[in-house]
Amino acid sequence: EAQVTQNPRYLITVTGKKLTVTCSQNMNHEYMSWYRQDPGLGLRQIYYSMNVEVTDKGDVPEGYKVSRKEKRNFPLILESPSPNQTSLYFCASSQWTSGYEQYFGPGTRLTVT
Amino acid sequence: RKEVEQDPGPFNVPEGATVAFNCTYSNSASQSFFWYRQDCRKEPKLLMSVYSSGNEDGRFTAQLNRASQYISLLIRDSKLSDSATYLCVGDSNYQLIWGAGTKLIIKP
Repeated sequence: EAQVTQNPRYLITVTGKKLTVTCSQNMNHEYMSWYRQDPGLGLRQIYYSMNVEVTDKGDVPEGYKVSRKEKRNFPLILESPSPNQTSLYFCASSQWTSGYEQYFGPGTRLTVT
Repeated sequence: RKEVEQDPGPFNVPEGATVAFNCTYSNSASQSFFWYRQDCRKEPKLLMSVYSSGNEDGRFTAQLNRASQYISLLIRDSKLSDSATYLCVGDSNYQLIWGAGTKLIIKP
């Protein structure tokens, strides 16, 4: 089954404790991205990657890191989480760039206390 | 000013009615536009792409008006299952710019 998987689905953590949210797709997609979604603000792109070892900042990259060592995986790293990073996070992938259908993972609900 | 703007709603509509949403965008260089549907606390899923010539898929019709820089979504004969948040999105330099979404509630 073609899908994007994210783990964990839910996470409660404390300020400053490093965490990683994994994202994996099995569709051989080139383009992957991370979003956060907050009430009233919609989806905001954090980082995106157009290919292995190629990553670029989106609209809200501060406080986040990503890596794309393999085509299928695109982990999101929060080195020192803060309460303002409490949000719903989505990973997405598409065949090529932004002009193609985005396939989303099920989301990760993160709470930082 | 947001690059993609939508009326947040909610739109409360009786079952069977026709409902229309508009979405305005500010980047005239945007090439691709889409409508996505998002159910509560779930991931967005593509509803339809939007072309200059307009496109129709069953009860759904999407239009793009480049001169006025807006896209529209028309839902005819609305069903209870159409209740969701509808997100419009346009691309800009390999990034997708998303509207905040319009919430639609279909009432029996």
